[in-house]
Amino acid sequence: AQSVTQPDIHITVSEGASLELRCNYSYGATPYLFWYVQSPGQGLQLLLKYFSGDTLVQGIKGFEAEFKRSQSSFNLRKPSVHWSDAAEYFCAVGATNYGQNFVFGPGTRLSVLP
Amino acid sequence: DGGITQSPKYLFRKEGQNVTLSCEQNLNHDAMYWYRQDPGQGLRLIYYSQIVNDFQKGDIAEGYSVSREKKESFPLTVTSAQKNPTAFYLCASSITGSELFFGEGSRLTVL
Repeated sequence: AQSVTQPDIHITVSEGASLELRCNYSYGATPYLFWYVQSPGQGLQLLLKYFSGDTLVQGIKGFEAEFKRSQSSFNLRKPSVHWSDAAEYFCAVGATNYGQNFVFGPGTRLSVLP
Repeated sequence: DGGITQSPKYLFRKEGQNVTLSCEQNLNHDAMYWYRQDPGQGLRLIYYSQIVNDFQKGDIAEGYSVSREKKESFPLTVTSAQKNPTAFYLCASSITGSELFFGEGSRLTVL
């Protein structure tokens, strides 16, 4: 069975600084990979996804993520953080393209200092 | 605009009561899901349904029940058998081979 770890529970960055959120997964084959963002008391919104092809994927709101098979990682990056990026970020992995097989990480809470 | 509507946003339940959370989607998605979210944990799957009149248990189905009488609707009942129901509940839908789309969530608190 697949699993997902997000090593950082909480990260604080200054506005304008770069950001990298870590995601490591455990799965034998090439998984389906996702990053979602959640504002307090809200649902989750998809930032980006990787199914196959180019390992560097671009998403909404200026985010990108890179799939590294050798490291079993799918880290999320943003070159310059805005105060509105403060939220909780979830990495998810799917062994298949069926939603019931998706496993979510515990999340990383991002705080942004003015 | 297409989307997923969950209601109510906030719900309070007394011990021993059943409560039902509503989830409606107009995205024409075949599959629908219910997740539970607790602080510091990822989302955990309660139930899912891939077609009308069929649904399957997820990882934490005990104390919950669902129905899927219409493609658009997938209500979740939290029964009195659920020992610790206070949580944030998220409904989602998808087409096969694509990502999950989420509703805004319902927060259930047991008094």
